Amino acid sequence: DTQMTQSPSSLSASVGDSVTITCRASQSVSGYLNWYQQKPGRAPKLLIYTAINLQSGVPSRFSGSESGTDFTLTISSLQPEDFATYYCQQSYNLPFTFGQGTRLEIK
Amino acid sequence: QVQLVESGGGVVQPGTSLKLSCAASGLSFSLYGMHWVRQAPGKGLEWVSVIWPDGNTKYYGDFVKGRFTVSRDNFKDTLYLQMNSLRAEDTAVYYCVRSFGTPSRYDSWGQGTLVIVSS
Repeated sequence: DTQMTQSPSSLSASVGDSVTITCRASQSVSGYLNWYQQKPGRAPKLLIYTAINLQSGVPSRFSGSESGTDFTLTISSLQPEDFATYYCQQSYNLPFTFGQGTRLEIK
Repeated sequence: QVQLVESGGGVVQPGTSLKLSCAASGLSFSLYGMHWVRQAPGKGLEWVSVIWPDGNTKYYGDFVKGRFTVSRDNFKDTLYLQMNSLRAEDTAVYYCVRSFGTPSRYDSWGQGTLVIVSS
């Protein structure tokens, strides 16, 4: 199985800050990397697919990048609604494994 | 507007069975691979199973170990997960998810159904 390692596991930031979350795959996933946002008691929501593509309806302050097996999610100018847990997921080979999640909290 | 509505969760004893359903609407259900993803209380997301659009190809997470069976009825636009020999560690919210595009991404999720395995 492909292991996905996210860092940090938690992060504190203020409204208006820019933050970056990193996800590393244990082997090549050929850019098949998705990012999801989850708020308490809610289902996850797709933000970014195939590493860099913004899902329709998602604000442009969310962006993704890729460098080999390392992927980043950047949120610029944090808004109050962005405080949530973020997960990466590889969809290159089954099982479609997730990272352990990054909890973004208000400082 | 794609809608996925899970049902069938509840509290069951270890070793028993439960069948989850996911009713789909607002999409051509028979065209999409469908997945089950679960989330234990306070934990992360874990992939459970996938079934191909025609229902003939299925895969499971290693932890399933022959206990779960995924199926679908493309006439009823419904996805199922039959879970047998349930264990305490199967306690989780189970989400029904549509796989969209190539490469796959999960663009539509149900609200989830909670399964609690406890004596």
